[in-house]
Amino acid sequence: GENVEQHPSTLSVQEGDSAVIKCTYSDSASNYFPWYKQELGKGPQLIIDIRSNVGEKKDQRIAVTLNKTAKHFSLHITETQPEDSAVYFCAASFFSGYSTLTFGKGTMLLVSP
Amino acid sequence: DSGVTQTPKHLITATGQRVTLRCSPRSGDLSVYWYQQSLDQGLQFLIHYYNGEERAKGNILERFSAQQFPDLHSELNLSSLELGDSALYFCASSPGPRGADTQYFGPGTRLTVL
Repeated sequence: GENVEQHPSTLSVQEGDSAVIKCTYSDSASNYFPWYKQELGKGPQLIIDIRSNVGEKKDQRIAVTLNKTAKHFSLHITETQPEDSAVYFCAASFFSGYSTLTFGKGTMLLVSP
Repeated sequence: DSGVTQTPKHLITATGQRVTLRCSPRSGDLSVYWYQQSLDQGLQFLIHYYNGEERAKGNILERFSAQQFPDLHSELNLSSLELGDSALYFCASSPGPRGADTQYFGPGTRLTVL
């Protein structure tokens, strides 16, 4: 089955800096890659996703890049703010059929004012 | 607020006991997924139901079972509980049957087994 590795496990940045979280996956058939943000005491919330027919997707301060050849994808957050502090999870799946999401182990992002 | 509700929010019980966690999906969603979240294992997929039928199974123990009822709410039953079952249990819902559809997570149930 699919295996997703996520790095780093913890990331501390100053407000206004950029943050990058990287994930690698094992199943070359995977073609759907969502990112979730989990705040303390809450369930994960989808923040952005990318499908394998595109290499990059951007939504305001958040962007995701995908390299299918190398089987890795990254989350980029620019101009970080204290409210970006949370645990971020990447996931991978095959878009068709009943395959399910396989999650990375998460990155705790701490943004200091 | 995702629209997914889970009860109870917290559950404390003893080893060997049995508990039931309940999930109500977003209005109109036919799929319900159950996940276990622990510190060392991250988010582990347990089971997926679509419109009352089981669609996929993940790393779900034989002591655990689930079902989805005609009104689309779902219950996760955990029996013969062990200390290691202490974790956050999330359910998520999505409109269709594909596991890769956008999943909306509930707030979770924190289970503590003493």
